[in-house]
Amino acid sequence: EAGVAQSPRYKIIEKRQSVAFWCNPISGHATLYWYQQILGQGPKLLIQFQNNGVVDDSQLPKDRFSAERLKGVDSTLKIQPAKLEDSAVYLCASSFNEGNTIYFGEGSWLTVV
Amino acid sequence: QQQVKQSPQSLIVQKGGIPIINCAYENTAFDYFPWYQQFPGKGPALLIAIRPDVSEKKEGRFTISFNKSAKQFSLHIMDSQPGDSATYFCAAIGGSNYKLTFGKGTLLTVNP
Repeated sequence: EAGVAQSPRYKIIEKRQSVAFWCNPISGHATLYWYQQILGQGPKLLIQFQNNGVVDDSQLPKDRFSAERLKGVDSTLKIQPAKLEDSAVYLCASSFNEGNTIYFGEGSWLTVV
Repeated sequence: QQQVKQSPQSLIVQKGGIPIINCAYENTAFDYFPWYQQFPGKGPALLIAIRPDVSEKKEGRFTISFNKSAKQFSLHIMDSQPGDSATYFCAAIGGSNYKLTFGKGTLLTVNP
């Protein structure tokens, strides 16, 4: 079974530039999550989708971050404009449904300089 | 507000030792407590999980001990190996929004 796929794996951008990350969850998983993991900390949930609807985006900095899952399968997370403090690993995860085991991708590493 | 507190921040043991990582939670609505293992450059992977209706769960060399009254749970790694060197995160989920909340992680180093 293929895992959660993410791209790009690594990205370096200057502050105030924009960046987009893509995620393809495990086939058949209805719930998709984007987490932010800052070095030395645990992952923090940014946004949770159930199919193509947003369940929780309470910790998403909406002035600069946006995410979509238009067809209820893959998802894109965008940051515009980026700040230095956005340097982190952006982890996509999925689960069969809310409350089931969450499986993580390998992450997209963002460095903002 | 940190809902899941994890300690220690880092831990070094010799091969064959039994590292113990402790977590405490505040929200009594949590009803599922997973542990994740993360190797450098990889995403977290589910290691073992427990529900509060049992006090202990073993899977191979990994054991979770759970104390519901104290709102604490811990991970024990028996006969630790250098390959167990990784960052371990405890987590908790439950309540109205059912959001997975992570501890800050423990960097475990097992020396040969």
